[in-house]
Parts: sequence; structure tokens; C-alpha cells
Amino acid sequence: EIVLTQSPATLSLSPGDRATLSCRASQTVGTYLGWYQQKPGQAPRLLIYDASNRATGIPARFSGSGSGTDFTLTINSLEPEDFAVYYCQQRSSWPPLTFGGGTKVEI
Amino acid sequence: QVQLVESGGGVVQPGRSLSLSCEASGFPFNTYGMHWVRQAPGKGLEWLAVIWYDGSDKYYADSVKGRFTISRDNSKNTLYLEMNSLRVEDTAVYYCARDRRKWELLCDYFDYWGQGTLVTVSS
Repeated sequence: EIVLTQSPATLSLSPGDRATLSCRASQTVGTYLGWYQQKPGQAPRLLIYDASNRATGIPARFSGSGSGTDFTLTINSLEPEDFAVYYCQQRSSWPPLTFGGGTKVEI
Repeated sequence: QVQLVESGGGVVQPGRSLSLSCEASGFPFNTYGMHWVRQAPGKGLEWLAVIWYDGSDKYYADSVKGRFTISRDNSKNTLYLEMNSLRVEDTAVYYCARDRRKWELLCDYFDYWGQGTLVTVSS
């Protein structure tokens, strides 16, 4: 099973700041990594797939990068609605599909 | 628009069974693989199971293998999760989610999610 480790657990920032979130895989996943945003009481929303591709309707301030075992989600100029929990997920090796433990972006 | 609506959650005693449903609309259900994902209170996301678009194959997480069964009825646009031998640690919000790519016999990402249904296992 591929373990995904996200860091930091919590990121305290202000609107307008840049957020940089990390996801590290226990073995290579190529570029088969995605990112989700989850707000309280809501289902997750797909942001990025295959490391760097924005999902439909996702604003350009969200970008993903990385390959192999190290990945980054960058949110440029945080908007108030971006404060949420972010999860990474790999589809390289399954079952099982696995998620990281999440990073909370808070004000 | 794509909609996924889960139902069937509730409170159940350890060792008992419960069935969840997920009714899909707004897309050709019989062309997409479907998943169940759960989230324990205050915790992260855990993938549970996938079923191919035609129902021809299924895969499970070890934590539920042998206890949970995923199935689908394409004529009713509905996904199911039969849960047996429930444990306290199965307490979670259960989401159904659509695989991003159609016609695939592979797992991808989850591009649409239901609102979730809460299952509480407690004596």
C-alpha cells in the first residue's frame, strides 16, 4: 500500500498569501496524484489530477506540481473561500486507492 | 447536472448489517466506475470499494473486504453498499463518488461526490 504523508498538518495564513502544501509518497506514483479541497460539512472537491492538471471549473490560482514521490499544491493569493482542508490521493497502485492525512489551511 | 444522493445511514449495533444506496442522475451512469469512500468523525478520507461501469469487477480495501459488498443496478442508476458485521470503527460519513473517466476498467480520481450519509455503529 502506498502511504501519502502531507505536511504541514496545519498552515496558518492570511487572505492574499501564497499557500504551499506538500504530499510525499512512500514509493513512486509517477504523476498519478490528485488534490482535493474539503470544507466543513461538505464533500471533497477535485482540484488537480495527474499532478498538475486543474479539474473542470477550478480557478487558475490553484496549481500542482511534482512527480515520483514529492508533490506540491500551490494556492496563489488565498481567497477567503480557500480556507479548508486539502487532501492528496494516488491512483498509481491500487487497490487500495489512498489519501494523505490532510492539510488544514486556516486563517 | 450530475447528482449523487446517498441514503440508508443510521444508528446500528455492532455486528449488525446496514445497506446504503446512492442514486445517480445527470449523467450516463452505466458508463462510469463508481466508488465508496468514508470519513470517520474528525478524520481523513478512506477509500473502500470500486465497481466497474458494467459491474464486471470490484475491488475492496482490506479493512472492509469480506464484510462489505459493492454492487450496482444500471437500470435504476443506483449504487449500493451492503455492510455486514459492522464494528464501532466503521462509524463514518459514507460518500459515493464517481470515477473521473468513463468506460475505464481502471481507478482514477473522484470528480463528483454525494453529500454523504452518516453511519453510527454503537451499542
